[in-house]
Amino acid sequence: EVQLVESGGGLVQPGGSLRLSCAGSGFTFSDRYMDWVRQTPGKGLEWVGRSRNKANSYTTEYAASVKGRFTLSRDDSKNSLYLQMDSLKTEDTAVYYCTRGYCTNGVCFFDYWGQGTLVTVSS
Amino acid sequence: DIQLTQSPSFLSASVGDRVTISCRASQGISSHLVWYQQKPGQAPKLLIYAASTLQSGVPSRFSGSGSGTEFTLTISSLQPEDFATYYCQQPHTYPLTFGGGTKVEIK
Repeated sequence: EVQLVESGGGLVQPGGSLRLSCAGSGFTFSDRYMDWVRQTPGKGLEWVGRSRNKANSYTTEYAASVKGRFTLSRDDSKNSLYLQMDSLKTEDTAVYYCTRGYCTNGVCFFDYWGQGTLVTVSS
Repeated sequence: DIQLTQSPSFLSASVGDRVTISCRASQGISSHLVWYQQKPGQAPKLLIYAASTLQSGVPSRFSGSGSGTEFTLTISSLQPEDFATYYCQQPHTYPLTFGGGTKVEIK
């Protein structure tokens, strides 16, 4: 059974940092693209960033709203994905979901989602 | 960025009704359109990808169609467990984007 379990969310002040983790199980983690997607009541679902798999050199993509502030990384030996969030803003407040990528016909989307972890940026 | 506009944003329907949700892309995305279902307090769940391919385990009352800029999700006979919010998403071009969602509620 595929499982994705996020951790690391919490309350942080504007300008602060937080590191989210996602532990995957039930599949070959190193084979997969992995993404973070966030959700806010006001803005709905927003893609945050992507980590491609080893076969694609672990390259990354980011949404413009987080580029330069957020960094994706992964440790395939631990079946884990990470999101380092720096210079946090109040508008980063959201539930952050870890997702597994499914690639077909040249595109990749999200076939499994974790339960999400809440990040609140507030003074 | 590719914008996805869903309509309606809210609909009220009865069990057994046929329901249609539209998703319009601001530019052509071939058949690269995905649909998700989200129930309150849960993560989204993949329903349909490549515009019309049903994810394994998803009931056959769900179907998708369209290409280019116009896409449709249809539920042929609404069941109690189908009351949820539905989102479209395009994996065609970065940044990946989602529609604003359609909330399906019980009439």
